Amino acid sequence: AQKVTQAQTEISVVEKEDVTLDCVYETRDTTYYLFWYKQPPSGELVFLIRRNSFDEQNEISGRYSWNFQKSTSSFNFTITASQVVDSAVYFCALSDLVVAGGAQKLVFGQGTRLTINP
Amino acid sequence: GAVVSQHPSWVICKSGTSVKIECRSLDFQATTMFWYRQFPKQSLMLMATSNEGSKATYEQGVEKDKFLINHASLTLSTLTVTSAHPEDSSFYICSARIPGSGGGTQYFGPGTRLTVL
Repeated sequence: AQKVTQAQTEISVVEKEDVTLDCVYETRDTTYYLFWYKQPPSGELVFLIRRNSFDEQNEISGRYSWNFQKSTSSFNFTITASQVVDSAVYFCALSDLVVAGGAQKLVFGQGTRLTINP
Repeated sequence: GAVVSQHPSWVICKSGTSVKIECRSLDFQATTMFWYRQFPKQSLMLMATSNEGSKATYEQGVEKDKFLINHASLTLSTLTVTSAHPEDSSFYICSARIPGSGGGTQYFGPGTRLTVL
């Protein structure tokens, strides 16, 4: 069965610090997708990135970067020069490729609550 | 692109009444939508997968007669909480997947906060 673990329940840093959110996953599939979503206080989940299992190239988008390592089953997310607006709960998720009614379900981690203090 | 809306954003109702929540994909057609429930400071719990034109697929432990799902069109899925009780109070979130898009990316609505008195 698929499983996603975000061991860091809460992280608090001072603005401009770099912060890394950890994500470890378990799956028996050889093809799978990993995601990061941001949930600000408003509640709406915002899609940040999707990575497929065949692409281990790290990705950078502005202050955000992602490090995917299949060898350690990890998909970590780093925010560089953090800002107060980055404060949110961040969820890592794994796409379940077992088709059920034509759907691909997402398996979510427990989330990491990130607080950026001014 | 890939905008999903939910209505209402919040609702307060009396115990025993039924509440309907709408989920719409605004700029794409969604053959599959998902309904989640989220308790405070917890992760999302998938309740059911809603398929256009067919019955929803419920996760284990979710009462199908309690949480009625209807996916009548390619842009609308509804969740009706029947005979709501205080323990049904929660944050309900829907999501939709763009058909044919690889990888199963789901786009989420803003959520509906239900409070049952």
